[in-house]
Amino acid sequence: DAGITQSPRHKVTETGTPVTLRCHQTENHRYMYWYRQDPGHGLRLIHYSYGVKDTDKGEVSDGYSVSRSKTEDFLLTLESATSSQTSVYFCAISGGRVTNYGYTFGSGTRLTVV
Amino acid sequence: QQPVQSPQAVILREGEDAVINCSSSKALYSVHWYRQKHGEAPVFLMILLKGGEQKGHEKISASFNEKKQQSSLYLTASQLSYSGTYFCGTEGGPNSGYALNFGKGTSLLVTP
Repeated sequence: DAGITQSPRHKVTETGTPVTLRCHQTENHRYMYWYRQDPGHGLRLIHYSYGVKDTDKGEVSDGYSVSRSKTEDFLLTLESATSSQTSVYFCAISGGRVTNYGYTFGSGTRLTVV
Repeated sequence: QQPVQSPQAVILREGEDAVINCSSSKALYSVHWYRQKHGEAPVFLMILLKGGEQKGHEKISASFNEKKQQSSLYLTASQLSYSGTYFCGTEGGPNSGYALNFGKGTSLLVTP
């Protein structure tokens, strides 16, 4: 199995608190992505990274920040959680041309903001 | 911008065929297809690069018409294991970090 893990798997947090989700990979892939999945919306891109300290915004980046200080870790932070950020969050990795561009997804983090 | 998938849902009997379509208003570098089963992560099926190349994966194949910015996924002689939600993902190439924009998905149910 591809080495990608997300933590935590489930989290319940209160409105207004900061939350950090972690994505860890052991594949040494250059590209990493954060998506959220909501019923009726499919998968929507939050942020992505194309190298250490190189990140860019996706279509739904408001209220989120990311950091990538090492190849293997990509952190997603909800600066002040709101109920609209209740969702399932998926991290994905890709080696680009090395892996024929296909994504491997983590198992997801189910986040509930109350 | 999210690509548009059609139909939203399909119900098949085992052995029947189905086509899922994906279209974009933007020029495409490639199109990906993924399948997600309930409660699981999406799984990569195949990628189609510019050039209209058709790829296959067992009894699942796809085409890509870059001029029309459309792709279609073909499932032939469907099996129960094909049930799930299918997503197409479109991307603009290396300058966008190969980041994918996914459609909203097509739910496929194969019944005995």
